[in-house]
Amino acid sequence: NAGVTQTPKFRVLKTGQSMTLLCAQDMNHEYMYWYRQDPGMGLRLIHYSVGEGTTAKGEVPDGYNVSRLKKQNFLLGLESAAPSQTSVYFCASSPMTSGNPYEQYFGPGTRLTVT
Amino acid sequence: KQEVTQIPAALSVPEGENLVLNCSFTDSAIYNLQWFRQDPGKGLTSLLLIQSSQREQTSGRLNASLDKSSGRSTLYIAASQPGDSATYLCAVNTNAGKSTFGDGTTLTVKP
Repeated sequence: NAGVTQTPKFRVLKTGQSMTLLCAQDMNHEYMYWYRQDPGMGLRLIHYSVGEGTTAKGEVPDGYNVSRLKKQNFLLGLESAAPSQTSVYFCASSPMTSGNPYEQYFGPGTRLTVT
Repeated sequence: KQEVTQIPAALSVPEGENLVLNCSFTDSAIYNLQWFRQDPGKGLTSLLLIQSSQREQTSGRLNASLDKSSGRSTLYIAASQPGDSATYLCAVNTNAGKSTFGDGTTLTVKP
């Protein structure tokens, strides 16, 4: 199993550009999450999904959109990037009906810089 | 709103010492609590998960305890090694599938 994978690993954007971060998991987990991690701010939840076709807002959703068209994939979109979105983005997944419910498994992260 | 606090923010110990990292949370209505390790520039690696009905979990030199009623968890590391140097994070998970993370304790183990 590859676990949770994220693409790309690094990206530099100019203000106003758009991009999509892709998260994929091969563990058949129901829940998926997008977090951002900033120095002094810890990990903050952006959006999450409790199943295919569903999404919900987390703590800091503004400026981001998400989609979960397939159970194994969770996409995070930035429509018009701003320097405040410079951060490290982590995707995670967790099971609900198997294993340890809500135990989170993290991807390696995407380091995004917006200039 | 759940708040998670980790004390101390940083800790430096000589190799071989036993040490305790602390995690406290304000709302005891949790489903489970998870301890992670994060190396610089890397993702989070799960170390231990304790269900709300459990008191402790052990893995190798690591032992995590949970006192839900007092809103506390500890991570005990026995016989620390330089390779244990990392940031340790605790996360409190609810049965809605949402987590609240602490800011972490950065551990340095000196040879």
